[in-house]
Amino acid sequence: EAGVAQSPRYKIIEKRQSVAFWCNPISGHATLYWYQQILGQGPKLLIQFQNNGVVDDSQLPKDRFSAERLKGVDSTLKIQPAKLEDSAVYLCASSLGVGEQFFGPGTRLTVL
Amino acid sequence: ILNVEQSPQSLHVQEGDSTNFTCSFPSSNFYALHWYRWETAKSPEALFVMTLNGDEKKKGRISATLNTKEGYSYLYIKGSQPEDSATYLCAYRSNNNDMRFGAGTRLTVKP
Repeated sequence: EAGVAQSPRYKIIEKRQSVAFWCNPISGHATLYWYQQILGQGPKLLIQFQNNGVVDDSQLPKDRFSAERLKGVDSTLKIQPAKLEDSAVYLCASSLGVGEQFFGPGTRLTVL
Repeated sequence: ILNVEQSPQSLHVQEGDSTNFTCSFPSSNFYALHWYRWETAKSPEALFVMTLNGDEKKKGRISATLNTKEGYSYLYIKGSQPEDSATYLCAYRSNNNDMRFGAGTRLTVKP
């Protein structure tokens, strides 16, 4: 069974630039999560989708972050414009319903 | 405890040593406690999901215990090997499906 795929794996941008991350969940997993993991902290949930609907985006900084999952499969997370404090690992996870979450390898973002 | 706390933050041991880490979590509204193993540049890998007070789980040299009444879980590694080097994350899931992660314990096993 293929795991959760993410790209790119690494990204370096300057502040005020835009960046987008892509996630392909495990086939058949209806629930998709984006987490932000800042160095020294645990992963923090940014947004949770159930199929193509948003279940929880309470911790998503909506002035600069956006995410979509148009066809209920792949998802993209965008930051526009990026700030220095957005430097982090962005993890995507998927699950069947609200069960065990399976994680992708993450995208490490560095904002200079 | 409102947050999930893990200790120690980092740990350096010699190959063959046994070690253990602690995860503290809210004892109210408990649904499940998850342990993940996260190697650098790889995906976090699920180790255990524990739901019942007194649960003990084992996978090879790694085992975990759960105390939901006092809000803690221990992860034990017996006879550490260099390939055990990773960050070990725990995550508390509440009964309204809120999932909170600790900051992890970074283990380094020296040959």
